[in-house]
Amino acid sequence: GAVVSQHPSWVICKSGTSVKIECRSLDFQATTMFWYRQFPKQSLMLMATSNEGSKATYEQGVEKDKFLINHASLTLSTLTVTSAHPEDSSFYICSAIAGEGNQPQHFGDGTRLSIL
Amino acid sequence: GEDVEQSLFLSVREGDSSVINCTYTDSSSTYLYWYKQEPGAGLQLLTYIFSNMDMKQDQRLTVLLNKKDKHLSLRIADTQTGDSAIYFCAERGTGRRALTFGSGTRLQVQP
Repeated sequence: GAVVSQHPSWVICKSGTSVKIECRSLDFQATTMFWYRQFPKQSLMLMATSNEGSKATYEQGVEKDKFLINHASLTLSTLTVTSAHPEDSSFYICSAIAGEGNQPQHFGDGTRLSIL
Repeated sequence: GEDVEQSLFLSVREGDSSVINCTYTDSSSTYLYWYKQEPGAGLQLLTYIFSNMDMKQDQRLTVLLNKKDKHLSLRIADTQTGDSAIYFCAERGTGRRALTFGSGTRLQVQP
């Protein structure tokens, strides 16, 4: 149980393109999802907290107009990297929490984004 | 703010026990987690412990928590080559749903 699916797993695109990444909870309803960014050989950096039906809460230093987050249903959150540039190349990972209690976060397999 | 620290690298021989250590600063931490990340993959939840517990054992994994010293450890018994990965310690403070992660410990298991 508690499976989180992330799509696509790898994307390469040209500079200036917008890229959408999907995060789905397959067998549970996720009221809260999180988006992280991971640079090579580094830890995960929280970008934003996504709550179903409301605006995402962004961490300090993360541009909300650059990284658009939509959490339209209890099983889907999307992260759109708008007008991507090479410095946006990274590994993006989502996680989801089932319910409102003290459940652990379950992670997707990540999306490797490469901007040429 | 909250801070979580781990040693960067650990090398053990197959069959030995591995102990990965973690320290944290948030005294309000309610839950502490261990995640495993294999190359190019997401994070797999291994185990977690509530802050009022001292120890939790799950098959080959043993988690020890010293709340006074804010020290958490993960012991892997009979370490196998398939255990080679990066292990992240993470904590969750009171009233927060987001996690604070350590830098990760790369475990290398030599045959």
